[in-house]
Amino acid sequence: GAVVSQHPSWVICKSGTSVKIECRSLDFQATTMFWYRQFPKQSLMLMATSNEGSKATYEQGVEKDKFLINHASLTLSTLTVTSAHPEDSSFYICSARKYGQDSYEQYFGPGTRLTVT
Amino acid sequence: AQKVTQAQTEISVVEKEDVTLDCVYETRDTTYYLFWYKQPPSGELVFLIRRNSFDEQNEISGRYSWNFQKSTSSFNFTITASQVVDSAVYFCALSRGGGGNKLTFGTGTQLKVEL
Repeated sequence: GAVVSQHPSWVICKSGTSVKIECRSLDFQATTMFWYRQFPKQSLMLMATSNEGSKATYEQGVEKDKFLINHASLTLSTLTVTSAHPEDSSFYICSARKYGQDSYEQYFGPGTRLTVT
Repeated sequence: AQKVTQAQTEISVVEKEDVTLDCVYETRDTTYYLFWYKQPPSGELVFLIRRNSFDEQNEISGRYSWNFQKSTSSFNFTITASQVVDSAVYFCALSRGGGGNKLTFGTGTQLKVEL
């Protein structure tokens, strides 16, 4: 159990367009989901924490108007990169924490590779 | 503020050698959790271990072992008899008490195991 999926696994878009990335917990309910960004050969940086039914909490330096996060249900969170630019090209990874359990683990999705041309 | 330092950017070893990946952390919390993750070329993070701040016992899981020392704020990871399949980037991470809270990752260590 505890499988997290992301869709799409990779996407190429043109500069100025918006891209939506989905993160789903397939076999559990997730009260909290986290979005990370990883540039090539670098570490994972937390972008925001998303709680079901409430607004996401963004880390310092992350533009909330550019990276829209929605956590509408206990199994789905979405990250929309609005007006994408080449510098937004990165590997985006989500993780999920189980609902109703004092889980010490975050279950990670396989990641989405975004390339903006 | 929390911080995780992995000073080794890249390590190359020959198969069957033992290798230790270093991790040093900083936190003001008395309750915290430490993690190690493996990231193969596919990109998906693989959970390896979680350790809470009150448990300093070393742990061994097959060829993997972990040495947690609060006195030096270190949580080192050793792979015994390394194999080519161990080639990956390894991340050490830290979270506040409760564990399900956000993770602070180190910069990662690229391990290359060659024949």
